[in-house]
Amino acid sequence: QSALTQPPSASGSPGQSVAISCTGTSSNYVSWYQQHPGKAPKLMIYEVSKRPSGVPDRFSGSKSGTTASLAISGLHAEDEADYYCGNSGVFGGGTKLTVL
Amino acid sequence: EVQLVESGGGLVQPGGSLRLSCAASGFTFSTSWMMWVRQTPGKGLEWVAHITPDGSITNYIDSVRGRFTVSRDNAKNSVFLQMNSLRAEDTAVYYCARDFAYQTYDYWGQGTLVTVSS
Repeated sequence: QSALTQPPSASGSPGQSVAISCTGTSSNYVSWYQQHPGKAPKLMIYEVSKRPSGVPDRFSGSKSGTTASLAISGLHAEDEADYYCGNSGVFGGGTKLTVL
Repeated sequence: EVQLVESGGGLVQPGGSLRLSCAASGFTFSTSWMMWVRQTPGKGLEWVAHITPDGSITNYIDSVRGRFTVSRDNAKNSVFLQMNSLRAEDTAVYYCARDFAYQTYDYWGQGTLVTVSS
């Protein structure tokens, strides 16, 4: 599978919503990872829209055709991080989310 | 508490070797697929290798096949990555991770930095 394409950056103000896209997915095993500087990635969404225990329901996932999306509602300052999508062993290039 | 703790990274000259280790606890290691994933500033996250629970099947990204070997010791809850003939482009932070389903990684170690430079 070819690499997945994500926008390099996204931003929003506290309390707002933001969506990050991931194009090129080929199956419904799409996952999303959050990574803070110097830390390991953390699984936030798997199988397109499922949340592991402990992940706030402000985080949601969806997929249409070959494009998956991660939506974050009610942005918090601590949501500022890099976000990566993954599908069939391939990762996107990452999106740096800035909370203004 | 789930923990994956990597060790063995460091500075090595081109052509040299390193062996990374990852010690697991807090989950059933012996039934888990395990992966090595690396991260570079330029290329982001990249799956490197995986090994099945019993160690009978391994797979590698093309760029490391023939140079890297993944193995495990279920009695010691550990997975290893032997890296030979290292190149500058292998410079990265290497993470071990558990694949809980269809290349979805739920547990990650803290990473160990490998720098290949003369």
